[in-house]
Amino acid sequence: KNEVEQSPQNLTAQEGEFITINCSYSVGISALHWLQQHPGGGIVSLFMLSSGKKKHGRLIATINIQEKHSSLHITASHPRDSAVYICAVRSWAGGSQGNLIFGKGTKLSVKP
Amino acid sequence: KAGVTQTPRYLIKTRGQQVTLSCSPISGHRSVSWYQQTPGQGLQFLFEYFSETQRNKGNFPGRFSGRQFSNSRSEMNVSTLELGDSALYLCASSLWGTGRPGELFFGEGSRLTVL
Repeated sequence: KNEVEQSPQNLTAQEGEFITINCSYSVGISALHWLQQHPGGGIVSLFMLSSGKKKHGRLIATINIQEKHSSLHITASHPRDSAVYICAVRSWAGGSQGNLIFGKGTKLSVKP
Repeated sequence: KAGVTQTPRYLIKTRGQQVTLSCSPISGHRSVSWYQQTPGQGLQFLFEYFSETQRNKGNFPGRFSGRQFSNSRSEMNVSTLELGDSALYLCASSLWGTGRPGELFFGEGSRLTVL
């Protein structure tokens, strides 16, 4: 079982729909990252969370440390949101920062 | 402010050769990390440097190595290339310091093809 699981793997939505991508992890963490990767390779950091909730424009990210779960929400989705969304956790062990562990990504396609 | 710069962007090598990739972080960032991305395995962590010291290392063979210089620029080297090393190699920089994780800023990547 992967240490970071994302769902769904693929998601197709109509423009304007509310979208949720989920990330569950099984290790102790110090932070969780949501990343966006457009075709062509470039990766952009959307959020870094260690607790609670963050909002940036139409994007909202939440994390529940007790349940080891995070969600990324996109409100009023737009075709330009089409990308792969990747969840990554910074492991925490023995009182120090560990490696980054990545989920397999969620490929989102938003149709006009 | 200039972003993270990776060079070269594209390169083709043959099996058995070695390759060196370079990463210049955002000015003021002292942490640089490296990642390998392949269609089969997705993104995988290679290693991370802070103040010229390797802080963390992923599960890759010893053919993969790296270093960081006093100006925070970093290089990674892959020796005795194998076909399976064909991948997009990404680096990221952050303000990360002891006990403090930082937001990651990624470069565009170096796409390596091994023939």
